[in-house]
Amino acid sequence: NAGVTQTPKFQVLKTGQSMTLQCAQDMNHEYMSWYRQDPGMGLRLIHYSVGAGITDQGEVPNGYNVSRSTTEDFPLRLLSAAPSQTSVYFCASSSTPRQPQHFGDGTRLSIL
Amino acid sequence: GENVEQHPSTLSVQEGDSAVIKCTYSDSASNYFPWYKQELGKRPQLIIDIRSNVGEKKDQRIAVTLNKTAKHFSLHITETQPEDSAVYFCAASRADSWGKLQFGAGTQVVVTP
Repeated sequence: NAGVTQTPKFQVLKTGQSMTLQCAQDMNHEYMSWYRQDPGMGLRLIHYSVGAGITDQGEVPNGYNVSRSTTEDFPLRLLSAAPSQTSVYFCASSSTPRQPQHFGDGTRLSIL
Repeated sequence: GENVEQHPSTLSVQEGDSAVIKCTYSDSASNYFPWYKQELGKRPQLIIDIRSNVGEKKDQRIAVTLNKTAKHFSLHITETQPEDSAVYFCAASRADSWGKLQFGAGTQVVVTP
């Protein structure tokens, strides 16, 4: 049972480059979300989805895009990377919004 | 929107002693309060959660209490062990927010033998 799988685990980008962080879950969860974790600031919600075709913004959505074409996948796109987006990114899923969220192992992203 | 404050930011305890972490929240409509443990370089993992229709919940050495009137909730770890060393996060969400969790800033707990 893989749970929530994130790829890549590490990535270094140059300012202005774009990339997609992948997130996949095999638990048939409807609810998925993306967080970023910065030192001393806990986890902050970037975007979330309550099902295929439905996404919405979280607390810090600027500079990021998401889409949800299938139940399993929820990719996060950085349009034009900036040093301020250096962070650890976590994807999470739950069966319903009111059930505990299961986190992936994270992607450590550095923007130079 | 919801604001969650967590204290202390660091906590050092002797093995066998108890540890208490406190969180306050601002939105009186919040009704779900999970606690996550994150070891260095690992994913956050749920250790216990509580909903607003109960005041206390226990799971072996871990307990959470909720005071809805004062809008605060606490994590209690008894008989601490070195493997309890980690960062602990509290969070809150409201029923109509589709699970949007607002996290506290975290507490670094160090258990010394």
